Amino acid sequence: TQLLEQSPQFLSIQEGENLTVYCNSSSVFSSLQWYRQEPGEGPVLLVTVVTGGEVKKLKRLTFQFGDARKDSSLHITAAQPGDTGLYLCAGVANAGKSTFGDGTTLTVKP
Amino acid sequence: DTGVSQNPRHKITKRGQNVTFRCDPISEHNRLYWYRQTLGQGPEFLTYFQNEAQLEKSRLLSDRFSAERPKGSFSTLEIQRTEQGDSAMYLCASTSRDRGHYEQYFGPGTRLTVT
Repeated sequence: TQLLEQSPQFLSIQEGENLTVYCNSSSVFSSLQWYRQEPGEGPVLLVTVVTGGEVKKLKRLTFQFGDARKDSSLHITAAQPGDTGLYLCAGVANAGKSTFGDGTTLTVKP
Repeated sequence: DTGVSQNPRHKITKRGQNVTFRCDPISEHNRLYWYRQTLGQGPEFLTYFQNEAQLEKSRLLSDRFSAERPKGSFSTLEIQRTEQGDSAMYLCASTSRDRGHYEQYFGPGTRLTVT
């Protein structure tokens, strides 16, 4: 069974601070995706990383895929209250089926 | 591109009743996935279709659960004889293989509450 562990489980910070959340697995995936989910809604895809060592930037968000394609991190610079939400990572197998971590719940206080 | 839609958004039912949920994927996507999510956890895979063929079912999908995608377009997920443990958010996603990898796009989910 492929498992993804995300840390920390909860994170509460002040507006303007930086943060990093992590996604770790013992398995190799063909790609890894990050999603953001708001209460009562479905996850929204933020980014897909495919190549080991890959770094992608999306405005204030920086995503990195580990060299061995087993782990990933999401760094947010100068967090804003609008960044509040549940951040999920998902490892994608060859059939396109995703295995999700349990997420990091981020709260950014004004 | 109207995105993935799911209906209903919320369903409250009494234990023992049957419920059916519908998912309309993005039109050009040939793969459709069902997931279940409970509070504090990430989505868990239930089953997926490629066109009309159901290719994989999770062990989570007991014999009370059945899914169909009759014409390779929309899909339905039926739960028979619902139990309180079935209360969860049921998520549908669709995908196509683009640039060599899959990207799943989720619908808003159907929140099921079994009383």
